[in-house]
Amino acid sequence: AQRVTQPEKLLSVFKGAPVELKCNYSYSGSPELFWYVQYSRQRLQLLLRHISRESIKGFTADLNKGETSFHLKKPFAQEEDSAMYYCALSGLYEDSNYQLIWGAGTKLIIKP
Amino acid sequence: DAGVTQSPTHLIKTRGQHVTLRCSPISGHKSVSWYQQVLGQGPQFIFQYYEKEERGRGNFPDRFSARQFPNYSSELNVNALLLGDSALYLCASSLPSDTQYFGPGTRLTVL
Repeated sequence: AQRVTQPEKLLSVFKGAPVELKCNYSYSGSPELFWYVQYSRQRLQLLLRHISRESIKGFTADLNKGETSFHLKKPFAQEEDSAMYYCALSGLYEDSNYQLIWGAGTKLIIKP
Repeated sequence: DAGVTQSPTHLIKTRGQHVTLRCSPISGHKSVSWYQQVLGQGPQFIFQYYEKEERGRGNFPDRFSARQFPNYSSELNVNALLLGDSALYLCASSLPSDTQYFGPGTRLTVL
């Protein structure tokens, strides 16, 4: 079954410390992976997608097919990074249509 | 462009009632998707419409239905509301096979 797992509901780190938000997925084909972010009182927005291989706001994520992971990393956390982060997978569902399958999200808190 | 808009912002209904939620996509976007987000969970895919045709359906009962209009706006209808339907309903629009842009959501409370 297709599934996205974010094992941490809450992650709290100090400003300037490295951040790693974990995402593991289960999918039989070649998935497309995304990270979405939701800042306080704002709507969900795309942070990055694995096919673009960009670094957005200092965040990067590498798709590791062997470990079926797509962890989100940032070397030096900033207070404005505090937000809810969702990992999502775009995959074929029941061989009929593509869907975004979401993890439960990780709340990131950056302490001053 | 104001981005994806949804109405109403909040809604309170009682069990057994029917509800209609509305979504206006970004200008030029022909694809609209609907998601349900229960508190503490990630969004769950409900429907996707493209060019007024259903292109995808998630694992939701037939009480949930949707449609897309010629101007690409969309409605999500839920019949015979249950307490468990209380959630944030999100709409997203996109170009075909491209990034989805989300609306602010409609908070539905079923009493």
